[in-house]
Amino acid sequence: GAVVSQHPSWVICKSGTSVKIECRSLDFQATTMFWYRQFPKQSLMLMATSNEGSKATYEQGVEKDKFLINHASLTLSTLTVTSAHPEDSSFYICSASEGWGAGANVLTFGAGSRLTVL
Amino acid sequence: GENVEQHPSTLSVQEGDSAVIKCTYSDSASNYFPWYKQELGKRPQLIIDIRSNVGEKKDQRIAVTLNKTAKHFSLHITETQPEDSAVYFCAASKRLYGGSQGNLIFGKGTKLSVKP
Repeated sequence: GAVVSQHPSWVICKSGTSVKIECRSLDFQATTMFWYRQFPKQSLMLMATSNEGSKATYEQGVEKDKFLINHASLTLSTLTVTSAHPEDSSFYICSASEGWGAGANVLTFGAGSRLTVL
Repeated sequence: GENVEQHPSTLSVQEGDSAVIKCTYSDSASNYFPWYKQELGKRPQLIIDIRSNVGEKKDQRIAVTLNKTAKHFSLHITETQPEDSAVYFCAASKRLYGGSQGNLIFGKGTKLSVKP
């Protein structure tokens, strides 16, 4: 089945630095990738929708200059947390959708990235 | 926009009993309703989904029912086992103009504990 690889799984950084998280679809082309943030014991909150070759669509309240998303190819999307602060510490999960139509919302999730900002 | 409510937030059952998790949605245009299972520290995994053209779907011990009139859908797990213990999320999305599918809106999750 479809596999989504997310890297790194765990990252600790100092306040003020930037962190890049990669999301790759390994055996399919993902026209759309989604980035979520999940706080402990809470649901998945959609941050942005990333479409290959175009600018990401951010959800209300998500700072696009803070969370840079790049979807340069059909198999790779990256999320960069710029000038990270302790309040950015969270679990970030990506998911990928194979295409349009009936299969468009069959999501495959990455394993997530635990970000801790000191 | 779409709003998905999920209940209960926690559910504890004895092994072998059934578990039911219910979700309601607000947008009558929603037409796709998946359920995800997330074990502790792991990624969400799709366990079953249903589209608005059917009222029920079953896969072994798991079933989902959809009531479009009332705008609610439910996950039913029969003969529960300890390995069913996890957080379950429901979600909903709708078809947009042009034929593409909209974003999934997730419920807040239900922590299911199955006691041996």
